[in-house]
Amino acid sequence: SQQGEEDPQALSIQEGENATMNCSYKTSINNLQWYRQNSGRGLVHLILIRSNEREKHSGRLRVTLDTSKKSSSLLITASRAADTASYFCATGGGNNRKLIWGLGTSLAVNP
Amino acid sequence: GAVVSQHPSRVICKSGTSVKIECRSLDFQATTMFWYRQFPKQSLMLMATSNEGSKATYEQGVEKDKFLINHASLTLSTLTVTSAHPEDSSFYICSAKSDSNYGYTFGSGTRLTVV
Repeated sequence: SQQGEEDPQALSIQEGENATMNCSYKTSINNLQWYRQNSGRGLVHLILIRSNEREKHSGRLRVTLDTSKKSSSLLITASRAADTASYFCATGGGNNRKLIWGLGTSLAVNP
Repeated sequence: GAVVSQHPSRVICKSGTSVKIECRSLDFQATTMFWYRQFPKQSLMLMATSNEGSKATYEQGVEKDKFLINHASLTLSTLTVTSAHPEDSSFYICSAKSDSNYGYTFGSGTRLTVV
């Protein structure tokens, strides 16, 4: 089931630029996760931010969470061609452990 | 880190035949396995959730007799697409959740083409 929405749906930037993707959700959450998917491959967990956190960093990734607006953003700084992929946010993982997925943002980083 | 090995990565089968997809957790015990289907340029659609040693819980609209899931051990779960039809062609991905592993680990996916 999908309840998250990401925007933009597609993003094309030049290498070295920053990429920002946004995710909105509808219900209260314990945490929100971001995943990356290369074309035709499985998903890779990037970062998890808990509901009591506002910002989290991991290398060139920065995630923010605004629970009052039910939204999160993923910022990739100094992008590289290898960052080209689809990025998904997911919430859930509660007692039934099911994740609720956003629709994804397709990022193209042009060399 | 945790690894889930999914096989095959690609399979082409004839209509009416069955195809089995395997997911193995290599270095952790996968107490819960999720099976997803993904259409081109779309998000993941959860098909079913399985817990080791018990019957899978299927999402609404997913035919349990068509998509057989077995999670007989803590390291192996299988999805069998029975009597496959061209409309079953899709990308299937498994994801494992361990009690001791906070994150979710995904297999690399299986591209199924039914001809």
